[in-house]
Formats: sequence, structure tokens, C-alpha cells
Amino acid sequence: AQKITQTQPGMFVQEKEAVTLDCTYDTSDQSYGLFWYKQPSSGEMIFLIYQGSYDEQNATEGRYSLNFQKARKSANLVISASQLGDSAMYFCAMRDLQGAQKLVFGQGTRLTINP
Amino acid sequence: EAQVTQNPRYLITVTGKKLTVTCSQNMNHEYMSWYRQDPGLGLRQIYYSMNVEVTDKGDVPEGYKVSRKEKRNFPLILESPSPNQTSLYFCASMSGGWVTDTQYFGPGTRLTVL
Repeated sequence: AQKITQTQPGMFVQEKEAVTLDCTYDTSDQSYGLFWYKQPSSGEMIFLIYQGSYDEQNATEGRYSLNFQKARKSANLVISASQLGDSAMYFCAMRDLQGAQKLVFGQGTRLTINP
Repeated sequence: EAQVTQNPRYLITVTGKKLTVTCSQNMNHEYMSWYRQDPGLGLRQIYYSMNVEVTDKGDVPEGYKVSRKEKRNFPLILESPSPNQTSLYFCASMSGGWVTDTQYFGPGTRLTVL
């Protein structure tokens, strides 16, 4: 069955430091996609970055990068040079062939950036 | 601007009073979905639609109805709301059903059922 696990309920980081948010996944499919979303206190879900199971290079989008370790089934989000505006909930999500019509979400990590 | 819109953003109602949450997307996407978000449970899919007049149940469909009469619109209907349907609801759309397709979310509707 598809499953996403985020083991860090909350993280506190100093401004300008890099931060890694953990995500592990479980699927029996060889073809799948991994996604990260940001949810600020205003509530909307903002797409950040995507990694495909067949992508050989780690995805990057500006200050966001995805540390994809396929053998370990992990897809950690790395935020470089954190900013106060990065304080939010972060969700890891996955779609595979069995459930291509939906995203399966983890429970999220609440990130707080301290000045 | 490409976007998914939802209305209303906030709604307080009473048990049993029928309500509809509208959702519209301007990206000509085939797939649309409804999710609910509850503390500690993450987001769970309620219903989805692969195209006009094609809908199917997600993981938590009980107590909800949907329709897809036009490609851009996908309303969520609660015919007899109950307090356990108090939640944050998101509409989402994506261009196709491939695992690589990104889902884009609306701003959310915060529903309280008294």
C-alpha cells in the first residue's frame, strides 16, 4: 500500500541556516512521483518541487532541492539559506501507478524559522 | 493567471442544512479532486473526476456528493452536513493521470458544522 512517513512533527531553525525535512515512502510500483507542498498559516497548499522515480538527478527549484535516495525510499526536502517566510507546514506526497488519480500525503512537518 | 478558485472560503452552518462548495479551474485540466484536511490525518481524497460526467470515490466519500457537468467546475455537495464534516477542504486539479503530473490546489474552504 502507498504510504508517506514524515517523522518530524516540528523543527526549529535559525534564519539563514539550511534545513532538511525528512520523508520516507512505501510503494510497490516502479513508477511514481514525489511532491513537496508548503502550507503557510494562511492555509493554501503551495507546490514546491517534484521528483520522478526514474529521474537520475535530484530535483532543484531555487532554494529548494530534493535529496532522493531510491534504495532507501527517502525523498528529503532541503531548504538552503532559510528565511522567516519559510515558516510553515510542509507536506511530502506521492502518486504511483496504483493510485494515479490521487496524492497520498504524509502528516506534515511544522517548520519554524527563528530570527 | 492559472489558478483554482473555491467559494466560499469560510462557512459556518448547522447540522442538516444542505450546502455546496464551488470549485473552478482555468487551466483546462482533465482531472479534478476534493480533499479534506484534518489535524493529525493529513489530506485525504474525498472524490475525483477524470473528465466531464466521470467521477469516482476517493478514500473518504461518505456524506459527500460531486458533479462534473463542465470541465472547469467541480462542486462539492454536502446534502446533510454533520459536525464530523467540520474540516478544511481543498479542491485540486491536474492536467492528466500520469504519476508525474502536478496537482494544483485551491485556497481552501474552512467549514464548521454546528
